[in-house]
Amino acid sequence: DIVMTQSPDSLAVSLGERATINCKSSHNVLYTSSNKNYLAWYQQKPRQPPKLLIYWASTRESGVPDRFSGSGSGTDFTLSISSLQAEDVAVYYCQQYYTTPHTFGQGTKLEIK
Amino acid sequence: EVQLVESGGGLVQPGGSLRLSCAASGFTFSDYAMHWVRQASGKGLEWVGRIRTKPNSYATTYAASVKGRFTISRDDSKNTAYLQMNSLKTEDTAVYYCTRLAVAGTGGYYYGMDVWGQGTTVTVSS
Repeated sequence: DIVMTQSPDSLAVSLGERATINCKSSHNVLYTSSNKNYLAWYQQKPRQPPKLLIYWASTRESGVPDRFSGSGSGTDFTLSISSLQAEDVAVYYCQQYYTTPHTFGQGTKLEIK
Repeated sequence: EVQLVESGGGLVQPGGSLRLSCAASGFTFSDYAMHWVRQASGKGLEWVGRIRTKPNSYATTYAASVKGRFTISRDDSKNTAYLQMNSLKTEDTAVYYCTRLAVAGTGGYYYGMDVWGQGTTVTVSS
């Protein structure tokens, strides 16, 4: 199975500042025939299902604010929030869908400092 | 509106069975692989399994933690996916979500789980 490891486990950032979350895959998730990384980022707020933010490692889902961005390729990925807003407080997960089981990272809890 | 609605959760004794349903609306259900993801209270997301589409022979794959005990099926005529859970253990206690793996129109490349239900709670306890 592909193991997804996020860092840090928790993060406190001041409003308006940048937040960065890392995700490392134990296996390359770059689908060579399409040159797309099968890596997604989700946001989960309390008592809500996850919400897709980023797919193919760097493509924002429709309706997601442009302060959210994703980068990386192969095995190392980053989710950045350029200017933290109060509504961004949540747990963030990366997930690979390159192969089954479609494993998730353990989650990163983002809070306001 | 694109929607997934789970039902069937509840309290069951260890060793018991339960069947969850996931009713889809607002999209062509038969075009999508359907997945189940669970989350124990205060814990992270765990992928449970998936069922592919008819052109892909309705192939199923499961997480090691549930293989041999859980079965995913679908009825495209009813726009519904199912999760049959047998030999339940206390560690299966969780909120169970159904979700679809979206496919980009051009090229048919998967791009992520873009629609999720609100979840249904399964509690395994004596």
